Amino acid sequence: SQQGEEDPQALSIQEGENATMNCSYKTSINNLQWYRQNSGRGLVHLILIRSNEREKHSGRLRVTLDTSKKSSSLLITASRAADTASYFCATPQFYFGTGTSLTVIP
Amino acid sequence: GAVVSQHPSRVICKSGTSVKIECRSLDFQATTMFWYRQFPKQSLMLMATSNEGSKATYEQGVEKDKFLINHASLTLSTLTVTSAHPEDSSFYICSASQGVDQPQHFGDGTRLSIL
Repeated sequence: SQQGEEDPQALSIQEGENATMNCSYKTSINNLQWYRQNSGRGLVHLILIRSNEREKHSGRLRVTLDTSKKSSSLLITASRAADTASYFCATPQFYFGTGTSLTVIP
Repeated sequence: GAVVSQHPSRVICKSGTSVKIECRSLDFQATTMFWYRQFPKQSLMLMATSNEGSKATYEQGVEKDKFLINHASLTLSTLTVTSAHPEDSSFYICSASQGVDQPQHFGDGTRLSIL
């Protein structure tokens, strides 16, 4: 399977704390994408990191990529209740990982 | 930003009915559109990839005669669930992309319930 695998599967934190989610994948890639899904909705693209990049920032999001370990992480800093959602990584072949369900407690 | 409209958002119908779901890219031309199925609290499962003007490429285990995909233009793809049965009840999501190295833009999904 080319799917990514996220861990943890579920994460619950207090507002203001940082949330870190990890993703591992199995194939060679030229980029990795992270998406967010609110319950019962479609996915929203958050960030795309290319294989020649090690780290990328977008607002409160920071994504890292380690192609040697075939892994990536998504860090959300200073979390807010509105960040509560499921987060998925996806390979260019558009296979999605199992997702991390994040709950931010106000 | 790029907008994808998916319609209808919810369908409830009797077993044996065929259901058509539309996916439109509103402000860009989509080279490729994707159809996914998602079970509760699970990840998205890619069903098929469709390119405008050509036959869709189905993932292993997805019945092409059951899930008919038409990609008639660069802005419209349709998924028809033929002779739907209760086991076809699921959340179906489409997305559109302008290329492999480009992000996907998702519709809001269609919740299909077959009675």
